[in-house]
Amino acid sequence: NAGVTQTPKFQVLKTGQSMTLQCAQDMNHEYMSWYRQDPGMGLRLIHYSVGAGITDQGEVPNGYNVSRSTTEDFPLRLLSAAPSQTSVYFCASRGLAQGTDTQYFGPGTRLTVL
Amino acid sequence: AQKVTQAQTEISVVEKEDVTLDCVYETRDTTYYLFWYKQPPSGELVFLIRRNSFDEQNEISGRYSWNFQKSTSSFNFTITASQVVDSAVYFCAPGPTGGGNKLTFGTGTQLKVEL
Repeated sequence: NAGVTQTPKFQVLKTGQSMTLQCAQDMNHEYMSWYRQDPGMGLRLIHYSVGAGITDQGEVPNGYNVSRSTTEDFPLRLLSAAPSQTSVYFCASRGLAQGTDTQYFGPGTRLTVL
Repeated sequence: AQKVTQAQTEISVVEKEDVTLDCVYETRDTTYYLFWYKQPPSGELVFLIRRNSFDEQNEISGRYSWNFQKSTSSFNFTITASQVVDSAVYFCAPGPTGGGNKLTFGTGTQLKVEL
């Protein structure tokens, strides 16, 4: 049971490049979400999903796309990277049933956009 | 909408001292969860505790204890006999109990435990 995994751990992009941050969980959790963490600002929700085929915007969705084709995977796409997207990105998942509804986080992806 | 205030930006203590991290939250929900997460220097987010709003019993887990006061909307976290390994950023986060997915994070409290 690996929990929530994220790849890559580190990434450097040039402005305008696109990339996908990968997130997978093996706990059969319905809910998955993406947060970004910036210094002094805590974590802010980017997008989330309540199940395969269903996604919704969070607090700071601009510049990011998501899809949820399977329960296990929830990739985050940066369409045209900007320096303002330099951040640490965390993926999280939680179950729906009582006892599984605590949110667990992946190890994070540190992204730098030059 | 929910909001959380962790007024202590940074706390420094000497090992073996007790330390309390404050958390004050705002929510319009009648039932909700309250969480504490730890972020050590390695960067991962580690779940510490979840408290349901209808359960106001305080909780102790080893050197950790939590004091939930619904009347003052506070959920404070105390570490007894602190250790250097407790050095981390600690986040308090209210969240919905229903189908919602969003945790509202405060800006965190940086705890430094020195020898």
